[in-house]
Amino acid sequence: NAGVMQNPRHLVRRRGQEARLRCSPMKGHSHVYWYRQLPEEGLKFMVYLQKENIIDESGMPKERFSAEFPKEGPSILRIQQVVRGDSAAYFCASSPTRRQGSEKLFFGSGTQLSVL
Amino acid sequence: SQQGEEDPQALSIQEGENATMNCSYKTSINNLQWYRQNSGRGLVHLILIRSNEREKHSGRLRVTLDTSKKSSSLLITASRAADTASYFCAHRGGSNYKLTFGKGTLLTVNP
Repeated sequence: NAGVMQNPRHLVRRRGQEARLRCSPMKGHSHVYWYRQLPEEGLKFMVYLQKENIIDESGMPKERFSAEFPKEGPSILRIQQVVRGDSAAYFCASSPTRRQGSEKLFFGSGTQLSVL
Repeated sequence: SQQGEEDPQALSIQEGENATMNCSYKTSINNLQWYRQNSGRGLVHLILIRSNEREKHSGRLRVTLDTSKKSSSLLITASRAADTASYFCAHRGGSNYKLTFGKGTLLTVNP
């Protein structure tokens, strides 16, 4: 049973370009979370999605950032017109449907975004 | 900010010693969790303690929770070099789905 898969592992973009980060949750998981981590910082919540629905995007900047989790395929975090301040590690986590044991998160290995 | 705080920020010990990390938070919680992160990797869940529990054990890990002080501690006994990692506490409040993470403690276990 594969874990949470994120790709690419590393992504380099120039200022003004678009960054697309992909996340495939664990099999059977329908809840996806995106977090951002700056060096020597904890994880900052960005967005929580279920299939085809954004449940909570309170941690996501209102401009340039968007996320989706379509019925088929991976969850996508999209950053348009990237700036240097977007450089960070972006982690995706998933959890099963809401039942006992669904309270912990399973994390991917992250995508390190570097903006030149 | 609802973010929790761990202390110390960094801890360096010798193999075989015990390591204690503390975590404080600001809101009411449903549960508190500890995660581990190796350098350049994702987080791995270690242990969860519910708000009505005071202590929990898992192998060499012992977690305590004091809801009156809004604090938790993680004890790793008989540490090994392989325990070297960053350790984060995370809590869930009334929303019951969003985990809020602290800034972490970087633990270095010297062989």
